[in-house]
Amino acid sequence: DAKTTQPTSMDCAEGRAANLPCNHSTISGNEYVYWYRQIHSQGPQYIIHGLKNNETNEMASLIITEDRKSSTLILPHATLRDTAVYYCIVRSLGNEKLTFGTGTRLTIIP
Amino acid sequence: DAGVIQSPRHEVTEMGQEVTLRCKPISGHNSLFWYRQTMMRGLELLIYFNNNVPIDDSGMPEDRFSAKMPNASFSTLKIQPSEPRDSAVYFCASSWEANYGSYTFGSGTRLTVV
Repeated sequence: DAKTTQPTSMDCAEGRAANLPCNHSTISGNEYVYWYRQIHSQGPQYIIHGLKNNETNEMASLIITEDRKSSTLILPHATLRDTAVYYCIVRSLGNEKLTFGTGTRLTIIP
Repeated sequence: DAGVIQSPRHEVTEMGQEVTLRCKPISGHNSLFWYRQTMMRGLELLIYFNNNVPIDDSGMPEDRFSAKMPNASFSTLKIQPSEPRDSAVYFCASSWEANYGSYTFGSGTRLTVV
């Protein structure tokens, strides 16, 4: 599966949109982009995934560039409860394994 | 649904003792994963099962670790004998075949070996 690169940490003001970038320049055509988050002392939580189209659900939006080499996870109105480590993962179709990197530590500031 | 249930939540044991961690996946999920998380190594996949059959155990650190899934609703991860370097949080996750990549994780077992 393609490698991903994320910033180590980010801050965002409460109520503002949090935009978390992920670089996956070696992604191939059958690889999906997944986002998970891990709130302190809890298990990771699935957020969203996509192949090439932008996706939105009740938690977040996923914007994938046209060349698919990068993506952005958007939390539209961040709250203090969104403080967590966010993982961007690339996984190929047919591969059940998810390999977690180091993620981005997002801190929401009151 | 109660989600993925792990027990115990915390385990403290002495070096050399046997430790058994337990996991009950979500009903209807047919894949089960065991992960280990430490500060140094992050989240590591140890082993995963599909339809109760171990598919990939390449992440199991050594022969002291073993995992079983006797039926669709129960799995165990056993460490015998335990060592201080096994101290970590162990997570179990399950997923449904038709929704690959969308895992549901349990709350984890924090293991401390002294």
